[in-house]
Amino acid sequence: QVLLQESGPRLVKPSETLSLSCSVSGASLSGFYLSWIRQSAGKGLEWIGRIYTSGTPTYNPSFSSRVTMSIDTSKTQFSLRLKSVIDADTAVYFCARGPMGAGWFDPWGQGSLVIVSS
Amino acid sequence: DIQMTQSPSSLSASVGDRVTFTCRASQNINTFLNWYQQKPGKAPKLLIEAASSLQSGVPSRFSGSGSGTDFTLTINSLQPEDFATYYCQQSHTTVITFGQGTRLDIK
Repeated sequence: QVLLQESGPRLVKPSETLSLSCSVSGASLSGFYLSWIRQSAGKGLEWIGRIYTSGTPTYNPSFSSRVTMSIDTSKTQFSLRLKSVIDADTAVYFCARGPMGAGWFDPWGQGSLVIVSS
Repeated sequence: DIQMTQSPSSLSASVGDRVTFTCRASQNINTFLNWYQQKPGKAPKLLIEAASSLQSGVPSRFSGSGSGTDFTLTINSLQPEDFATYYCQQSHTTVITFGQGTRLDIK
């Protein structure tokens, strides 16, 4: 059973870079990709992008100028970096697994609340 | 981006009721439509993928239907644990989008 867990700072200052990690355990992500999704009161659920275990990312154009996703060599740690954050980037950030060739997400991590505030 | 519109935004029902939620896409998405249940403080949980395929372990009182632009999620005989918020999500295009959710409350 694959488990995903997000981690990272809870508080980020405006204009700085949000950095989160997603740790994958219990199973390999071979044949799957890892997506980042956020949820805020203002925008609801937003898909930020995904990355394959090959390291190839696909970003939502709404975030593409500010986002970087990466995967470490063990293929068990995934990273999200979102630069130049503003108040509207305050949200719960989830990582979630999805199968190649299909667009659903399962499972999800428990989520990591990030607050943008000075 | 494809806009997903869910209705109603909230719904009150009683244990044992049958409820139906609607999700409409702004353009044809075939059956690239997934449904999730989310409880407060938790991550969304996948219920149905490809419009009508029930995920393993999801009770059979949940069912989904539709294709093109109009989709429904039905829960037969509501149970206390079903009171939550339900989201639809399209995966027809590279940019994945979600509906705004339907909150199901106890009447």
